[in-house]
Amino acid sequence: DQQVKQNSPSLSVQEGRISILNCDYTNSMFDYFLWYKKYPAEGPTFLISISSIKDKNEDGRFTVFLNKSAKHLSLHIVPSQPGDSAVYFCAATRGNKLVFGAGTILRVKS
Amino acid sequence: DTAVSQTPKYLVTQMGNDKSIKCEQNLGHDTMYWYKQDSKKFLKIMFSYNNKELIINETVPNRFSPKSPDKAHLNLHINSLELGDSAVYFCASSQTLAAGSYNEQFFGPGTRLTVL
Repeated sequence: DQQVKQNSPSLSVQEGRISILNCDYTNSMFDYFLWYKKYPAEGPTFLISISSIKDKNEDGRFTVFLNKSAKHLSLHIVPSQPGDSAVYFCAATRGNKLVFGAGTILRVKS
Repeated sequence: DTAVSQTPKYLVTQMGNDKSIKCEQNLGHDTMYWYKQDSKKFLKIMFSYNNKELIINETVPNRFSPKSPDKAHLNLHINSLELGDSAVYFCASSQTLAAGSYNEQFFGPGTRLTVL
């Protein structure tokens, strides 16, 4: 039972444009939502999070939006840079337990 | 000065063997985790230890046994390895914060286990 879903396996974006990565979840009891970024042969690294009581969190070029009624969140990267090319995992947590989506491969073309 | 380290990085072994993966964190965190990333790329939690006490134990075959000798180490022992155990195993750590806060997890580089 996938509680966190990333339905787009990959996304290709031109450098300088906006990247939008999407994520859906089923469990309304999650209290935090997060995005992790992963390069090949490395572990995931935390990127940005949002509390379930908020609808937006911004950190530099990265903004996460949460729509609780739709059980949907998205990560916006503006402007996209070639170094952003990686796998992006959406995750949700209740307590210490992180539940991950399958990831979306982002390719930023220069 | 690696924050979360795992050894070995690659492990190739035969079915039926017993193997261990070691994890160490130098962040002073009180909680450590093991995750498995399978062929479908999902990262799934297996175990979590807080101050050497097991707090999360997902539905994992009992051939998998975590051992935490101290707060900085969480090792994973796997007995009677099977083909389906082939995956990338990630260790992670975090520090327990106040209730209602998110405890960021820091991941190691992963150990790619291949069972032949």
